[in-house]
Amino acid sequence: GEDVEQSLFLSVREGDSSVINCTYTDSSSTYLYWYKQEPGAGLQLLTYIFSNMDMKQDQRLTVLLNKKDKHLSLRIADTQTGDSAIYFCAEVRGKLIFGQGTELSVKP
Amino acid sequence: DVKVTQSSRYLVKRTGEKVFLECVQDMDHENMFWYRQDPGLGLRLIYFSYDVKMKEKGDIPEGYSVSREKKERFSLILESASTNQTSMYLCASSKGGRTEAFFGQGTRLTVV
Repeated sequence: GEDVEQSLFLSVREGDSSVINCTYTDSSSTYLYWYKQEPGAGLQLLTYIFSNMDMKQDQRLTVLLNKKDKHLSLRIADTQTGDSAIYFCAEVRGKLIFGQGTELSVKP
Repeated sequence: DVKVTQSSRYLVKRTGEKVFLECVQDMDHENMFWYRQDPGLGLRLIYFSYDVKMKEKGDIPEGYSVSREKKERFSLILESASTNQTSMYLCASSKGGRTEAFFGQGTRLTVV
């Protein structure tokens, strides 16, 4: 398809792992990004992965990239209430193209 | 730290008014962008600029124009505001040749 796609909502319990999925469109995208948007705020770059990598880990965050299926995921270990936010994946197609955003709700 | 500042957090304007949204970045970035964010639609690119006095249309430029007279400032103009332009507007900047963008806090515009 033409669009970067994400599911709109995810709800988890505090302490569980969260997995946010994204399907992108351009197999030649060199960078893929995850942004976080807290309520009432702009977007903050969370992490990114180069297209020649399959996985990137940064503390509680793990990014997995499946280039064959054009699938990107963000795993947040030990999810906390402060992780409640909207998460956007983005690919580069000349410019940044964003998905619809996944709203993560963390319940105590 | 990169700082991208949008002049207003909230704006309420009347239909037909001319509206200016201002964005300033302090990191000497070449690239600047204007997006609008609507529920379920993600971020859609309105206009972007790779240099002073240069502008390129994004995916949804209709009803908007932009101005970049100085490197640090990128203005979004709604020539005649309409209710379907009620939205969250996000400005971003990035360094030339790099793609990760840094965002302002957003301006929530309501057109009544």
